[in-house]
Amino acid sequence: DTEVTQTPKHLVMGMTNKKSLKCEQHMGHRAMYWYKQKAKKPPELMFVYSYEKLSINESVPSRFSPECPNSSLLNLHLHALQPEDSALYLCASSHPKGGWDTEAFFGQGTRLTVV
Amino acid sequence: KQEVTQIPAALSVPEGENLVLNCSFTDSAIYNLQWFRQDPGKGLTSLLLIQSSQREQTSGRLNASLDKSSGRSTLYIAASQPGDSATYLCAVRRTNDYKLSFGAGTTVTVRA
Repeated sequence: DTEVTQTPKHLVMGMTNKKSLKCEQHMGHRAMYWYKQKAKKPPELMFVYSYEKLSINESVPSRFSPECPNSSLLNLHLHALQPEDSALYLCASSHPKGGWDTEAFFGQGTRLTVV
Repeated sequence: KQEVTQIPAALSVPEGENLVLNCSFTDSAIYNLQWFRQDPGKGLTSLLLIQSSQREQTSGRLNASLDKSSGRSTLYIAASQPGDSATYLCAVRRTNDYKLSFGAGTTVTVRA
């Protein structure tokens, strides 16, 4: 099973709303990632969790708050977003760096629209 | 900083023709290189992973080569089909780094 599952698939939220994106994998990967992708652009790294600890924050605004409750789950909490935050949000997982194989597997994404 | 370039940006071929997609990177100190496929509005599907010590990787109609010293990888897709129409992205992982550096992708259209 090489599946990364993201929910919801689509989300429309107002600028004062609070919502969460969820990501789950059961491949035993101990590194999990959030990427943001705008139309016709490559994915941009936002956060990396390694062994459930935040390893990398690519200077992401605090209105995005990641959480890794356990080794299989990754959440992204959203609050007071702006319309320019509308994008496809992708979750990925891999073995941690230094492992023999760090092939990254991505979920199908959450299409977020901020109105 | 690792810069990844994919040429061409778009490609349109008739069904049955072989596809050649190019990826170049500026820093040869890579751990591995991965090719992905992305359909419109969807996530990324991993196609092939090439470790830095490998020269080539094959899966079905797909073949990817890696020349680390010259900073190049090529993805070959044999006997293209309309279902191969998608955007193909290459991504490079530097040694001892979590970050994947992506190219901008090549959008492929296979005409029936």
